[in-house]
Amino acid sequence: AQTVTQSQPEMSVQEAETVTLSCTYDTSENNYYLFWYKQPPSRQMILVIRQEAYKQQNATENRFSVNFQKAAKSFSLKISDSQLGDTAMYFCAFITGANSKLTFGKGITLSVRP
Amino acid sequence: KAGVTQTPRYLIKTRGQQVTLSCSPISGHRSVSWYQQTPGQGLQFLFEYFSETQRNKGNFPGRFSGRQFSNSRSEMNVSTLELGDSALYLCASSLVSGVADTQYFGPGTRLTVL
Repeated sequence: AQTVTQSQPEMSVQEAETVTLSCTYDTSENNYYLFWYKQPPSRQMILVIRQEAYKQQNATENRFSVNFQKAAKSFSLKISDSQLGDTAMYFCAFITGANSKLTFGKGITLSVRP
Repeated sequence: KAGVTQTPRYLIKTRGQQVTLSCSPISGHRSVSWYQQTPGQGLQFLFEYFSETQRNKGNFPGRFSGRQFSNSRSEMNVSTLELGDSALYLCASSLVSGVADTQYFGPGTRLTVL
């Protein structure tokens, strides 16, 4: 079975500080991509960052970076210099080459305090 | 490039009615996937269409159906609506099918069944 686990339902961080969101996943496939999506109150699902499983180097996108531990099947998201606009629900997800469907975790609600 | 668009954005229907939702993918994208998001079940995959063919299907009853047109636009239909069908329906597009690829989401259609 393919699963994604986000064990923290919610987190809070002070503006300008750093926060890390955790995610573990399970798949028997070798070819897959991992994602973090952000869903603000508008409900639009926005791609934050992508990691190809075959790449050893951790992906970065401006203030967002990941810690990808393939053997441990762990994929955490670090947000540096948190901003009020980062307040949203964050979903960890993956997609395999075997089928074209995203498997999502339950999400984590992140609140950035001024 | 324009993003994924979904119409309508909001719908209110009564039990027993049917509803059709529309999704236009990013230009050049040929794969369209549909997801249902509810507070209780989270994000669940409905189906994926590529080249006017359903390539993958989630675990939903036959009341949920879809199709794709030659211009890659997709429609999703739900017949004999039930109260439990109230949800946010998200459409996502990607370039191709059958490989691990990034999916980009539309703003969603909020369906309320009374």
